[in-house]
Amino acid sequence: DAGVIQSPRHEVTEMGQEVTLRCKPISGHNSLFWYRQTMMRGLELLIYFNNNVPIDDSGMPEDRFSAKMPNASFSTLKIQPSEPRDSAVYFCASSPQGQLLSNQPQHFGDGTRLSIL
Amino acid sequence: GNSVTQMEGPVTLSEEAFLTINCTYTATGYPSLFWYVQYPGEGLQLLLKATKADDKGSNKGFEATYRKETTSFHLEKGSVQVSDSAVYFCAQDRGSTLGRLYFGRGTQLTVWP
Repeated sequence: DAGVIQSPRHEVTEMGQEVTLRCKPISGHNSLFWYRQTMMRGLELLIYFNNNVPIDDSGMPEDRFSAKMPNASFSTLKIQPSEPRDSAVYFCASSPQGQLLSNQPQHFGDGTRLSIL
Repeated sequence: GNSVTQMEGPVTLSEEAFLTINCTYTATGYPSLFWYVQYPGEGLQLLLKATKADDKGSNKGFEATYRKETTSFHLEKGSVQVSDSAVYFCAQDRGSTLGRLYFGRGTQLTVWP
């Protein structure tokens, strides 16, 4: 079975440029999560969706960050304009959680390593 | 609120040593508890989970027991291997939300041969 698929795996770009990270969740999963991981701050939840609807975006650092989920099989995280402090590994995860049930784990992609010069 | 506190690393052990990584949770309700492992250059993978008090999750020689009285979910392994070197994350849900997990800061484990 295909897991969570993220692209690109690596991105190096200059500050000020727009960056778009992509995620394809596991088929049938209806919750999708975007995380950022850095040495200083650890793993941070940026935003999550349920049934394509954003539930909580309080972790999005600032207006330069935006996320969309136009359908059940695709999501994007966009940074515009990018800054060097945005350099991190960005993970997407999905879970089958769709109702008020617990104990369903999240499945993570391999991440996008982003470097802003 | 909900927060997960886990033992700060890094932890360095010799092969075949006993491992304990402490984790405590705070929650109202009846959360499920998880341990995830992250190998270098990869995403997090579920290692084990427990869904109610006194449950023991186990996988690949690792174990953790859901202790409600001490709000703990400590990870243990009797004999670690070099291949266990990774970052370990403790996590919980809230028992009623849409799949959101709350992660600890992670503990780096290095096992030397």
